[in-house]
Amino acid sequence: DIQLTQSPSSLSASVGDRVTISCRASQSISNNLNWYQQKPGKAPRLLIYGTFNLQSGVPSRFSGSGSGTDFTLTISSLQPEDFATYFCQQSFKTWTFALGTKVELK
Amino acid sequence: QITLKESGPTLVKPTQTLTLTCTFSGFSLSTSGVGVGWIRQPPGKALEWLGLIYWDDDKRYSPSLKTRLIISKDTSKKQVVLTMSNMDPVDTGTYYCAHRIYEILTASTADYFDFWGQGAQVTVSS
Repeated sequence: DIQLTQSPSSLSASVGDRVTISCRASQSISNNLNWYQQKPGKAPRLLIYGTFNLQSGVPSRFSGSGSGTDFTLTISSLQPEDFATYFCQQSFKTWTFALGTKVELK
Repeated sequence: QITLKESGPTLVKPTQTLTLTCTFSGFSLSTSGVGVGWIRQPPGKALEWLGLIYWDDDKRYSPSLKTRLIISKDTSKKQVVLTMSNMDPVDTGTYYCAHRIYEILTASTADYFDFWGQGAQVTVSS
């Protein structure tokens, strides 16, 4: 199985901050990495697919980068609606989710 | 637009079999590249991929759960059914179905879940 390690597990930030979340795979997954946002009581929402492709309707302050085993989700200027939990997911070999990063208000 | 909705029992006893149905609209499960996946989430915990059925009826299951899972589809009814046997309290959580899409991009491919159901709460308790 391909394991994903996401860091940090949680972070505190203020509106307007630049936030970066890392995701590391246990083996190379090429560009097969997706990012989701989840708010309490809601289903996950796709943000980024294929490492850096922005899903339709997702604000451009979200961006993704990386390849191989190391990937990053960046929120360029955190907005109030961005406080949520973020998960990376690999689709190189079946599908695996990481444990997530909870973004909280400082 | 694409929508999915899970339905099934909210309470299951230990050792019983859980059957959940995902009813979808806005796409056909006979279109090449399309799939429907099942993902669950224990309370306050991470997402866990369970399994997926492809347009051609091929299936993939999580290695840790494959002996307990069966996924099937009824294309004409636009439904996908998840069966999980020998339920245990640790299986308590929210169960989601999701639309899977596979794309060939300029220099790579992408495989992701772009639409999700609202989730079905399942509690395993005697």
